[in-house]
Amino acid sequence: SQQGEEDPQALSIQEGENATMNCSYKTSINNLQWYRQNSGRGLVHLILIRSNEREKHSGRLRVTLDTSKKSSSLLITASRAADTASYFCATDERPNDYKLSFGAGTTVTVRA
Amino acid sequence: DAGVTQSPTHLIKTRGQQVTLRCSPKSGHDTVSWYQQALGQGPQFIFQYYEEEERQRGNFPDRFSGHQFPNYSSELNVNALLLGDSALYLCASSQLSRGAGYNEQFFGPGTRLTVL
Repeated sequence: SQQGEEDPQALSIQEGENATMNCSYKTSINNLQWYRQNSGRGLVHLILIRSNEREKHSGRLRVTLDTSKKSSSLLITASRAADTASYFCATDERPNDYKLSFGAGTTVTVRA
Repeated sequence: DAGVTQSPTHLIKTRGQQVTLRCSPKSGHDTVSWYQQALGQGPQFIFQYYEEEERQRGNFPDRFSGHQFPNYSSELNVNALLLGDSALYLCASSQLSRGAGYNEQFFGPGTRLTVL
């Protein structure tokens, strides 16, 4: 069974707009990570946020984490055509579970 | 600094055959995890190797086995292939020795396995 669930399943936006996707999970976690995947290729690591952190930024990416609601969000600002991809959140569970549990992903299409 | 590498890129096998996939971790990483990703789904954890031992295993049958070598590289073996084993197999490396807060896993490009 999958730990994380992304929402929405699919998102279509215009170039230059912001894209927001959410992830919910079920158990207490050590970390939450976001990944990007282009056309069935390998996953590109975007950002890791630890359970004691609430917000992190990396370039045009902003990730928030609310452990009380067991949820996270990924915001991509000023989207580009190259941002078209599937985005996955992955969690590892406390205390010492190092495997990553993924949701089914959000497919983002950025229209030119 | 080389990232995670996997070989081969693509593989076609028939039912009942056996396959070996290979992974070299990112420089400085000591832990290798394997995941299976079926079309349209998120990756599913197969197992993780640390210090040449299987540290953790997901819900996969014994047909799936692995190995980690002293240089931290790893192999995934699948015996008696089934049609349902067709998937993208992903290898990820991390630095488990640094602890739970450093479980940043970096993925390779994957091996696309097709079972006919």
